[in-house]
Amino acid sequence: GDSVTQMEGPVTLSEEAFLTINCTYTATGYPSLFWYVQYPGEGLQLLLKATKADDKGSNKGFEATYRKETTSFHLEKGSVQVSDSAVYFCALGGYGNNRLAFGKGNQVVVIP
Amino acid sequence: DTGVSQDPRHKITKRGQNVTFRCDPISEHNRLYWYRQTLGQGPEFLTYFQNEAQLEKSRLLSDRFSAERPKGSFSTLEIQRTEQGDSAMYLCASGGLAALETQYFGPGTRLLVL
Repeated sequence: GDSVTQMEGPVTLSEEAFLTINCTYTATGYPSLFWYVQYPGEGLQLLLKATKADDKGSNKGFEATYRKETTSFHLEKGSVQVSDSAVYFCALGGYGNNRLAFGKGNQVVVIP
Repeated sequence: DTGVSQDPRHKITKRGQNVTFRCDPISEHNRLYWYRQTLGQGPEFLTYFQNEAQLEKSRLLSDRFSAERPKGSFSTLEIQRTEQGDSAMYLCASGGLAALETQYFGPGTRLLVL
């Protein structure tokens, strides 16, 4: 079935560093891809999405490009802030009922 | 826009007891979803409703679990004869009818079964 794989382990980096979180997917058909973020003590929030190949989603300085040839949707930000510390989830949604399949998430800790 | 709300936010129960959670979606949303999230994992789909009809159930949803959305507005998720393995965060999300529309998540109900 449809699934999402995120890179293992937490990510710790210094303020203003470049962030990349890898996400690859397996799906039949033409899914939409999402990044959700969960800040400490809060619920899941949509960060960005892309609905077809080569689309780029962007929000709050974060970007991700839907790459069909590599089945990837890596999240990037050029200069992180302490306030970006959160758990980031990659997710896949199929056409129709749009139930989401999530990756395991990556804890990002930004140190001042 | 008041967002998706869930009640209670936390529940501690003893093994074998029944528990019920409530979700109030964003008012204009036709679709309502339930997910379960265990520690260190991403949310896993349980079931979803379109208006009052329950259209899909995951294999994760055993016979002890039942969900309803009687009037197409709020939804309840009941777990009967709880087991320690049911301890998790139960998330509700809602969305519109358009295919691939964004799902908006509530804060979740954290269940601990002793």
